[in-house]
Amino acid sequence: AQKITQTQPGMFVQEKEAVTLDCTYDTSDPSYGLFWYKQPSSGEMIFLIYQGSYDQQNATEGRYSLNFQKARKSANLVISASQLGDSAMYFCAMRGLNSGNTPLVFGKGTRLSVIA
Amino acid sequence: DTEVTQTPKHLVMGMTNKKSLKCEQHMGHRAMYWYKQKAKKPPELMFVYSYEKLSINESVPSRFSPECPNSSLLNLHLHALQPEDSALYLCASSQAGTSGRAAGELFFGEGSRLTVL
Repeated sequence: AQKITQTQPGMFVQEKEAVTLDCTYDTSDPSYGLFWYKQPSSGEMIFLIYQGSYDQQNATEGRYSLNFQKARKSANLVISASQLGDSAMYFCAMRGLNSGNTPLVFGKGTRLSVIA
Repeated sequence: DTEVTQTPKHLVMGMTNKKSLKCEQHMGHRAMYWYKQKAKKPPELMFVYSYEKLSINESVPSRFSPECPNSSLLNLHLHALQPEDSALYLCASSQAGTSGRAAGELFFGEGSRLTVL
């Protein structure tokens, strides 16, 4: 079984500052993928960043980076230079990669509010 | 624009109505998913189709009936729903049988927001 834990129900950050959203996970799968999705109030789940369990380097996608610490089973999202448009719900998720249709398991999410 | 298209975007129905939610993708993905999301909660998996066959049913009540007529389409038929079924219903698709991000990433539609009166 897989489990994702996000311990921050809500976070506030000043515009242009960096913010870290926490995520820890638990799985028995040897190969897995970790994802972060952004969900604005419109409802669409927007993919942000991916980290594979065997990737040696931390993933980066523009202003998003993933601080992957495999031994600690953590995959924190770092957003640099926050913008007002970053205000949204953020979900950490994971998926086993041993078969083609294992579902994505989500954490409870963190609501990020960016303050001008 | 999302590559997974869901219709309708909003649906209001009575408890005796029969309606359907539709989902379409043209990315050649062979796995498709229905998730249900209540307000301020994470998405919860309902069904998974792999190569047009139902592979996972997360003990969903029979008033929800999925259908995958071909590799591009996924339907969710709704009948005799309850007010507590009001939620955002998200469809997603993914590749199957490859490795890395391409195997893992789910592509989501914008969702269908359902209200049951």
